[in-house]
Amino acid sequence: ETGVTQTPRHLVMGMTNKKSLKCEQHLGHNAMYWYKQSAKKPLELMFVYSLEERVENNSVPSRFSPECPNSSHLFLHLHTLQPEDSALYLCASSPTPRDFRQFFGPGTRLTVL
Amino acid sequence: LAKTTQPISMDSYEGQEVNITCSHNNIATNDYITWYQQFPSQGPRFIIQGYKTKVTNEVASLFIPADRKSSTLSLPRVSLSDTAVYYCLVGDPNNDYKLSFGAGTTVTVRA
Repeated sequence: ETGVTQTPRHLVMGMTNKKSLKCEQHLGHNAMYWYKQSAKKPLELMFVYSLEERVENNSVPSRFSPECPNSSHLFLHLHTLQPEDSALYLCASSPTPRDFRQFFGPGTRLTVL
Repeated sequence: LAKTTQPISMDSYEGQEVNITCSHNNIATNDYITWYQQFPSQGPRFIIQGYKTKVTNEVASLFIPADRKSSTLSLPRVSLSDTAVYYCLVGDPNNDYKLSFGAGTTVTVRA
């Protein structure tokens, strides 16, 4: 248990569905991140938030829409995804945005049919 | 971000010490070296971070030579539960948000 929780743990959705991934951190950190990990590929940073402000968007397609309502919660809204978007989506947090000691959640295993 | 090179895989046996060396020839002056561990279908877990010489915690030791062009993560007396992928990352946390993970080293511990 790292203090970062993610729900749901598994999600299957069709290409026309809209769904949301939720992340919550109980560590009092000021920075939160979304990562994508596809099979046989390294982790890819998607978004970085610092005190609810997005500070990094790593060329992610608009079908992924992040939301950070407060420093403890982070969402990833999904719509019209493609099968190649199937992956493990990981949320992480750190005390400050420029801290490589990040705490990761267990991830959401997403399958797009 | 400095590029890193690690072995793709390593095998070991329970009770042995495992040393994973990471090469980072173009490491910059302000770069730190960070290591993570990842079990299948879980998020990575921070293990250790260092800048120079030696750093030790309850999990591992990190050895960094004077030229800082490589680093070695040492896992003492491994057990089956240490089977995981280990990532070496190099970067300047004061100037970069990005934590760039490579392919990592898959360490398999056998009984």
